[in-house]
Amino acid sequence: EPEVTQTPSHQVTQMGQEVILRCVPISNHLYFYWYRQILGQKVEFLVSFYNNEISEKSEIFDDQFSVERPDGSNFTLKIRSTKLEDSAMYFCASSAFQGRSYEQYFGPGTRLTVT
Amino acid sequence: SQELEQSPQSLIVQEGKNLTINCTSSKTLYGLYWYKQKYGEGLIFLMMLQKGGEEKSHEKITAKLDEKKQQSSLHITASQPSHAGIYLCGVGSTGNQFYFGTGTSLTVIP
Repeated sequence: EPEVTQTPSHQVTQMGQEVILRCVPISNHLYFYWYRQILGQKVEFLVSFYNNEISEKSEIFDDQFSVERPDGSNFTLKIRSTKLEDSAMYFCASSAFQGRSYEQYFGPGTRLTVT
Repeated sequence: SQELEQSPQSLIVQEGKNLTINCTSSKTLYGLYWYKQKYGEGLIFLMMLQKGGEEKSHEKITAKLDEKKQQSSLHITASQPSHAGIYLCGVGSTGNQFYFGTGTSLTVIP
């Protein structure tokens, strides 16, 4: 069964450094998403991406964050100048269609630890 | 936005006991997903309910959707330590976001 994959599974970085989290969505999906879960808190929406553009973003997704689909398979989340409060689990998701009836398939997550 | 409130927030049960987790939505439910998460790990899809009154089962886990009450329940029969984790309900939206519930932490004592 196709699945969303994410690398690395765990990333440790120093405050102020840039990190890139990578995701390989399911191959025929067109919509891509990033979510964040600070330990012990809710899973929160960050951004959605379609047709090489951001289609929606939350207030969490500020200028520190950017997303890119550099090739036909990868979908990346870049965090510039990481802060301690960026430590969280980051989930990538993809879906074939947009809307409430269509499942978003989630990756296993990347745990980001900022020291 | 859509708020999903789960109850209870946490649950500790003895192995072999049955339990129920509820998810109540602030808006009309057109469908609902249930996920399980081991603490600090990824999301495991359990099941999706699309229609009011729909009930689905997977192994010892049964979920039901009550559209009128804007609520879904997840029932585990004869709980086992392997059921331990955080259970999350979630809904899609007409837009791009997926909303998650507040989560229910389940501990099963052997």
